[in-house]
Amino acid sequence: YEVIQTPSMSVSPGQTASITCSGDKLGNKYVCWYQVKPGQSPVLVIYQDSRRPSGIPERFSGSNSGNTATLTISGTQAMDEADYYCQTWDISTVVFGGGTKLAVL
Amino acid sequence: QVQLVQSGAEVKKPGASVKISCKASGYTLISYGMHWVRQAPGQRLEWMGWIKAGNDNTNYLQKFQGRISITRDTSASTVYMELSNLRSEDTAIYYCAKGGISWEGLGVWGQGTTVTVSS
Repeated sequence: YEVIQTPSMSVSPGQTASITCSGDKLGNKYVCWYQVKPGQSPVLVIYQDSRRPSGIPERFSGSNSGNTATLTISGTQAMDEADYYCQTWDISTVVFGGGTKLAVL
Repeated sequence: QVQLVQSGAEVKKPGASVKISCKASGYTLISYGMHWVRQAPGQRLEWMGWIKAGNDNTNYLQKFQGRISITRDTSASTVYMELSNLRSEDTAIYYCAKGGISWEGLGVWGQGTTVTVSS
């Protein structure tokens, strides 16, 4: 099973960033999102499509329907500049997308 | 709080093996699965395998079958990942990550262990 992400995108500070992840019938699976900054370990920002772990700002939200899952960052801040990976499950294996590099310009 | 602390950086020659440890604290190790994920320089996150909660059952990505072994020592609250027959393409940062319950994702990650494979 494969999930596809746009390799890179940019957003202006204060604007909304929408990062997508596509896969066959992805809406029938749960999706998580991870933020990875240079030199740091990944951080889970969304799980079960749309739930936020404690400590994750409310500006992070998620949705998943059809063949596409979306991570939305509202009011994007400079600190949100990072790589973002979607992740799902296929039978008993974990599948990561290729990652999206988000630039806040 | 829940924390995962990994062993230090390793430098290995091609054909050698590496064994990385991941010591857990703040929760009962056997109650949750533990995953291993790696990231080669400039590359994506790559899931390698996991050891399941409650027993010693493991599941590995097919590309690592025959080269990887994930084990757990509950008395030491530690999970180990051993990768054998190393090649240069195995140069990467290796992470352990705590699994959740009911599709909760990988909620806690270790600090990463850099493995360099070079002759």
